[in-house]
Amino acid sequence: NAGVTQTPKFQVLKTGQSMTLQCAQDMNHNSMYWYRQDPGMGLRLIYYSASEGTTDKGEVPNGYNVSRLNKREFSLRLESAAPSQTSVYFCASSEGGGRETQYFGPGTRLLVL
Amino acid sequence: QQQVKQSPQSLIVQKGGISIINCAYENTAFDYFPWYQQFPGKGPALLIAIRPDVSEKKEGRFTISFNKSAKQFSLHIMDSQPGDSATYFCAASISTSYGKLTFGQGTILTVHP
Repeated sequence: NAGVTQTPKFQVLKTGQSMTLQCAQDMNHNSMYWYRQDPGMGLRLIYYSASEGTTDKGEVPNGYNVSRLNKREFSLRLESAAPSQTSVYFCASSEGGGRETQYFGPGTRLLVL
Repeated sequence: QQQVKQSPQSLIVQKGGISIINCAYENTAFDYFPWYQQFPGKGPALLIAIRPDVSEKKEGRFTISFNKSAKQFSLHIMDSQPGDSATYFCAASISTSYGKLTFGQGTILTVHP
């Protein structure tokens, strides 16, 4: 089992460009999450999907959109990238919500110039 | 607005010593408190977690102490080893809120041989 996979591993964008970060899990989990990690800020929840077909905003959703393509895949889209979106992005999944363990992917490092 | 505050930002400990990381929270509705461990270039991984009906939980060298009245919880690493060198995040969530975690700022732990 690969667990949670993310692509790409690293990306450089120019301001205004768009891109989609991909995430897939092979653990048959119901819930999936997108976080961003910035120095001194910890991880902050961008969007989450409690189950297939549902998505909802987290703490810092502005400038992002998500798609829960199916039970396995949850993508994050930046429509018009800004330097403030330079960060490391982590996808996570869990069997359900509540007190279930969240399993994180290896991250995507994004640099917006 | 940081609902979970973590300290210290960084910590240096000698091999065999005790590492202590503290967290304080504001939202009394939080009822799940996990700690995540992150090695460089990797995603966070669950280390240990506690519920507020328990004052202490121990797993091997790792112990969580929880003080509900003070709204504080801490991670103690006994007999710290160089392999424990990592970034540690405390987190909190409301178990009925689809697993939305609120993370602390993180503590970079370095254990010298």
